[in-house]
Amino acid sequence: AQSVAQPEDQVNVAEGNPLTVKCTYSVSGNPYLFWYVQYPNRGLQFLLKYITGDNLVKGSYGFEAEFNKSQTSFHLKKPSALVSDSALYFCAVRDGGGADGLTFGKGTHLIIQP
Amino acid sequence: DSGVTQTPKHLITATGQRVTLRCSPRSGDLSVYWYQQSLDQGLQFLIQYYNGEERAKGNILERFSAQQFPDLHSELNLSSLELGDSALYFCASSVGTEHNSPLHFGNGTRLTVT
Repeated sequence: AQSVAQPEDQVNVAEGNPLTVKCTYSVSGNPYLFWYVQYPNRGLQFLLKYITGDNLVKGSYGFEAEFNKSQTSFHLKKPSALVSDSALYFCAVRDGGGADGLTFGKGTHLIIQP
Repeated sequence: DSGVTQTPKHLITATGQRVTLRCSPRSGDLSVYWYQQSLDQGLQFLIQYYNGEERAKGNILERFSAQQFPDLHSELNLSSLELGDSALYFCASSVGTEHNSPLHFGNGTRLTVT
């Protein structure tokens, strides 16, 4: 079975400060990891993914994520937060060798304060 | 715009009724996924189709069924509706079945069961 944990329901960051949204995962095989963002009344938008290779993955809108195999984590980061980054962020995992669909975490509300 | 179209946007119906949600995937995408999003359960994977065939099954109730047609659009049928079925239902599509392909989400159908 595969699972994802996002330990924080909400993260508050001042505009201009760095942000981190945490994610840990559990899979039997090799993890394929994704971050998505959801704005109000909209579907999820793909931000970035880790499949293999460099542990630091760069994505859309200046976001990046760091894969840490020993800690089974895939934290989302951005060096300088914008008010427009305020949204609901989902981490997701899929077992590279399995047949299951993508499993999402519960989501983290990111609030950037001006 | 993700290119995934879902209709209707909103649906209000009574308990015991049956509804059909429709999804048109992005042009060129062969895989369609259905997800249910609710406040208490988060995003739950329901089912995946690839080129007309069922590919993976998640937490889909027996009262729910889906299919993908030759033109690749998909329908999710929900029957004997209960209050707890009220949720946002998302369709997503991807090019193939590769586990590293990001999903592209529609804006969802909000189902309210009264």
